Amino acid sequence: AQTVTQSQPEMSVQEAETVTLSCTYDTSESDYYLFWYKQPPSRQMILVIRQEAYKQQNATENRFSVNFQKAAKSFSLKISDSQLGDAAMYFCAYRAGTSGTYKYIFGTGTRLKVLA
Amino acid sequence: DTAVSQTPKYLVTQMGNDKSIKCEQNLGHDTMYWYKQDSKKFLKIMFSYNNKELIINETVPNRFSPKSPDKAHLNLHINSLELGDSAVYFCASSQEFRRPYEQYFGPGTRLTVT
Repeated sequence: AQTVTQSQPEMSVQEAETVTLSCTYDTSESDYYLFWYKQPPSRQMILVIRQEAYKQQNATENRFSVNFQKAAKSFSLKISDSQLGDAAMYFCAYRAGTSGTYKYIFGTGTRLKVLA
Repeated sequence: DTAVSQTPKYLVTQMGNDKSIKCEQNLGHDTMYWYKQDSKKFLKIMFSYNNKELIINETVPNRFSPKSPDKAHLNLHINSLELGDSAVYFCASSQEFRRPYEQYFGPGTRLTVT
């Protein structure tokens, strides 16, 4: 069975600095997708970034980038130039690439605090 | 234009009552989900519907009954509410047979049972 592990319950970063949130997963599949979701205090779940397992290139979205290490089954999120608005819970999620799976596996989340 | 909407956003009720939460998506997705997020922020899938058909039922008490009148709507009815049902309930949708299967969430409904 697939699992997603976020080993950092909480992280802090100074405003304008860079922070990396860790995520590891376990799967026997070769075709899958990985996602990072942000949940600010408003509780809305927002998709931050997506990575396709078949792509070697790491995904980037503005200040957000990932370090995808397929062999190590690691999918970390790097936030550059941290802003106060980045403070939130961050969830890593896995989705098998096969249609008809219907299931996403979420990690337990990392709470990010941004210090002014 | 809200992609996935839920009503109500807050629900406070007493033990033993019956309540419903409604969800609608205007993304044209074929799959909808209910998740429960507990006080520790853990997200647990409850149900998944594809084109109105129940696909996933994750050992949820049968006091919880989802209903999908069409593929744009998925409602959750809860009978005989218990204290342990207090949580945030999220509706989500995705297109199952179109990569990359991105899932979009509603704003959540905070249910408080007293």
